[in-house]
Amino acid sequence: KAGVTQTPRYLIKTRGQQVTLSCSPISGHRSVSWYQQTPGQGLQFLFEYFSETQRNKGNFPGRFSGRQFSNSRSEMNVSTLELGDSALYLCASSFGGPDTQYFGPGTRLTVL
Amino acid sequence: GENVEQHPSTLSVQEGDSAVIKCTYSDSASNYFPWYKQELGKRPQLIIDIRSNVGEKKDQRIAVTLNKTAKHFSLHITETQPEDSAVYFCAASTRGGSQGNLIFGKGTKLSVKP
Repeated sequence: KAGVTQTPRYLIKTRGQQVTLSCSPISGHRSVSWYQQTPGQGLQFLFEYFSETQRNKGNFPGRFSGRQFSNSRSEMNVSTLELGDSALYLCASSFGGPDTQYFGPGTRLTVL
Repeated sequence: GENVEQHPSTLSVQEGDSAVIKCTYSDSASNYFPWYKQELGKRPQLIIDIRSNVGEKKDQRIAVTLNKTAKHFSLHITETQPEDSAVYFCAASTRGGSQGNLIFGKGTKLSVKP
């Protein structure tokens, strides 16, 4: 079974721009969660989507948004990028309960 | 909301020794506690998990214990090997129901010296 995939793997943007990241979950998984990983803050939960609905949200500003499509693929959007948004963005998929989450390889975002 | 504390932040052991990493959580409704291993430049990989109806779980050299009363859980690695060197993260589910997201500890960098 194919694992979780994320595109693009690397991205360089400048302050003020916006960016869209994509995540394709493992086949059959209906839940996709997004996390931001930085050296100082570790892994921080952004939001979770299940059956095209945002089910839970972490403590991030409204510039961070997401959506999920009917095939469970998910996108994350960050508008008006700031230097502090530079991070590794990881998505993880699961069947939907508090069960095993499988991570994608991440998208490394650098904001200049 | 849920908060997970993890200690120590760094741990150095000799090959063959045991390593113990401890985590505490705040939300008594949390019922799922996974541990992830992340090697440099790679994605987090699940190594073991435990649910709140179980006190201990083992998988070869790795074991996890859970104390629901004290709200803490620990990872035990025996007979450590150099390939165990990585950052280890504990996590807890924020709610005991259908929520699928995890709250992570800050991580422990484990170094196993040959």
